[in-house]
Amino acid sequence: QSALTQPASVSGSPGQSITISCTGTSSDVGSSDYVSWYRHNPGKAPQLIIFNVSDRPSGVSIRFSGSRSGNTASLTISGLQAEDEADYYCSSSVTAGHVVFGGGTKLTVL
Amino acid sequence: QVQLVESGGDLVKPGGSLRLSCAASGFTFSDHYMSWIRQAPGKGLEWISKISPTGSYRGYADSVQGRFTISRDNAKNSLYLQMDSLSAEDTALYYCAREIYYRLDVWGQGATVTVSS
Repeated sequence: QSALTQPASVSGSPGQSITISCTGTSSDVGSSDYVSWYRHNPGKAPQLIIFNVSDRPSGVSIRFSGSRSGNTASLTISGLQAEDEADYYCSSSVTAGHVVFGGGTKLTVL
Repeated sequence: QVQLVESGGDLVKPGGSLRLSCAASGFTFSDHYMSWIRQAPGKGLEWISKISPTGSYRGYADSVQGRFTISRDNAKNSLYLQMDSLSAEDTALYYCAREIYYRLDVWGQGATVTVSS
């Protein structure tokens, strides 16, 4: 199972909105109800921020939203803040109960 | 509070073996699927294995199939990863995580495994 495709990096200024894409195939992202997004700061445990394509866990800011179009899922962060700087990963369920991650995207807040 | 704590990380020679442990607390461990995920230096997250609540289902990524074995002891609220035939490509930070319908909602801080002669 190949990793999902994410841009290596994205950047934005405080207050702006950014979108991170996650491209898979019709066998994973395109057909799975179980697409998730994680925020990861080096040295810390990853944090779930979006699940089931567009649901937010309790306690996660409404500035984070998820969506999907075809085989591409997207994470949008609105009202960008300095504290949002981190690595972001998407994941999807695949066959046989497995999980596949994207390659990760480094978000830089300018 | 809900917590996962990995242990057992170490420096091991190529071809060697190591067993990681993950101690769970703050939730009913026996109700949940559990997964192992790793991050090699400078690389992204890689899902490597998961186990069902009773242990009847065990899944592995191709990269570790046949070399790694996941197990659990619900009486001890513990998850394990037995790693055999280790190579330099297995050098990574290993995380355990609780899984609910393919979402990993609770993660440990990780255990470092270094494979080097």
